[in-house]
Amino acid sequence: GQQLNQSPQSMFIQEGEDVSMNCTSSSIFNTWLWYKQDPGEGPVLLIALYKAGELTSNGRLTAQFGITRKDSFLNISASIPSDVGIYFCAGQRFGANSKLTFGKGITLSVRP
Amino acid sequence: DTAVSQTPKYLVTQMGNDKSIKCEQNLGHDTMYWYKQDSKKFLKIMFSYNNKELIINETVPNRFSPKSPDKAHLNLHINSLELGDSAVYFCASSSKGQGFGYTFGSGTRLTVV
Repeated sequence: GQQLNQSPQSMFIQEGEDVSMNCTSSSIFNTWLWYKQDPGEGPVLLIALYKAGELTSNGRLTAQFGITRKDSFLNISASIPSDVGIYFCAGQRFGANSKLTFGKGITLSVRP
Repeated sequence: DTAVSQTPKYLVTQMGNDKSIKCEQNLGHDTMYWYKQDSKKFLKIMFSYNNKELIINETVPNRFSPKSPDKAHLNLHINSLELGDSAVYFCASSSKGQGFGYTFGSGTRLTVV
């Protein structure tokens, strides 16, 4: 099935640092989304992107929908300890029965 | 007030047993899903229902049978549980076609011993 590529699997940063995460695909998506999962909880939507080139912010988070529609990135600025968690990218195509396809996630650790 | 609620939160059972997980959403969404998250945290879709009709059925053993009595509920029944079924199962819902992403429940951690 369709794969979204996220790497590395884990990232370790110092509190206050900025961090960027990338997500790539071999084919086009019409919608890109970024989710965060805290331990013991389900993924929660952070940012949704609907147009190629779109740049959207949500507080300290900024995400962009790649021009080719095959990639997206998420940037977290001035990280804080509660940013720890797993960050998933997800892509969706138009269509009656379109499903959300997830990347494998990046586990972010923030050192105080 | 919980938008998507799953029960139980934890389920420990022996191999060969049959078990069910229940899911309810109060968001007025018309589409519901079951996802399986394995030990490597990969989220894989299993089923999707739209207005009680099955629309996505990924390659899942037929020991897994979803049931949607109405568009606010989607239950998952698993027969003859195997060790490899141990995972976290997430229910989610969305408004079909809007591309706003899914709202997830907090998951059911199933452990088969």
